[in-house]
Amino acid sequence: SQTIHQWPATLVQPVGSPLSLECTVEGTSNPNLYWYRQAAGRGLQLLFYSVGIGQISSEVPQNLSASRPQDRQFILSSKKLLLSDSGFYLCARQSSYNSPLHFGNGTRLTVT
Amino acid sequence: EDQVTQSPEALRLQEGESSSLNCSYTVSGLRGLFWYRQDPGKGPEFLFTLYSAGEEKEKERLKATLTKKESFLHITAPKPEDSATYLCAVRTTQGGSEKLVFGKGMKLTVNP
Repeated sequence: SQTIHQWPATLVQPVGSPLSLECTVEGTSNPNLYWYRQAAGRGLQLLFYSVGIGQISSEVPQNLSASRPQDRQFILSSKKLLLSDSGFYLCARQSSYNSPLHFGNGTRLTVT
Repeated sequence: EDQVTQSPEALRLQEGESSSLNCSYTVSGLRGLFWYRQDPGKGPEFLFTLYSAGEEKEKERLKATLTKKESFLHITAPKPEDSATYLCAVRTTQGGSEKLVFGKGMKLTVNP
């Protein structure tokens, strides 16, 4: 199974509030995990990726952070949200080298 | 700079009217080209991987082809359920690391 669970599906948060988005995956162990953001009219933007527990690489400097406390759990966080953090956040997994990414159904975040 | 360009940005077809979507790329060290389908409010769904020029993949009414500079997604006799946004992504190597570059997508609408 390549099932990817993301929650919540939608979220409305005020500016300055904290954020925690969770992604859990099923299937093969030690997958590569990714967080992407998709804004209207723009391509998917890679935010973070992880090749293993506790291993996080950041692609874009911003007020977001990621953690991987367990092999199949990937968390996206922020201490204080900005208006510009609004968007569609997608978690993805990659089972093996050069295999395609498979995406979850995303979280629509609106910062007001 | 690695770039992936999809054209047209949007396309309206009548049911049964075949057409092609274009994905052109300028990257260093192509490691694979991926096509995805994305329905509104959902994560991208993987369709095809192409690795080398001349390669072709088919699935139902969809056929993907690859040259050294671009890929085409041919849609034969489309149906309304083929309406979606189609994303193209290219995996490249740069400085020993790999990255996936996405196009902005092409919104297809098939009218009954």
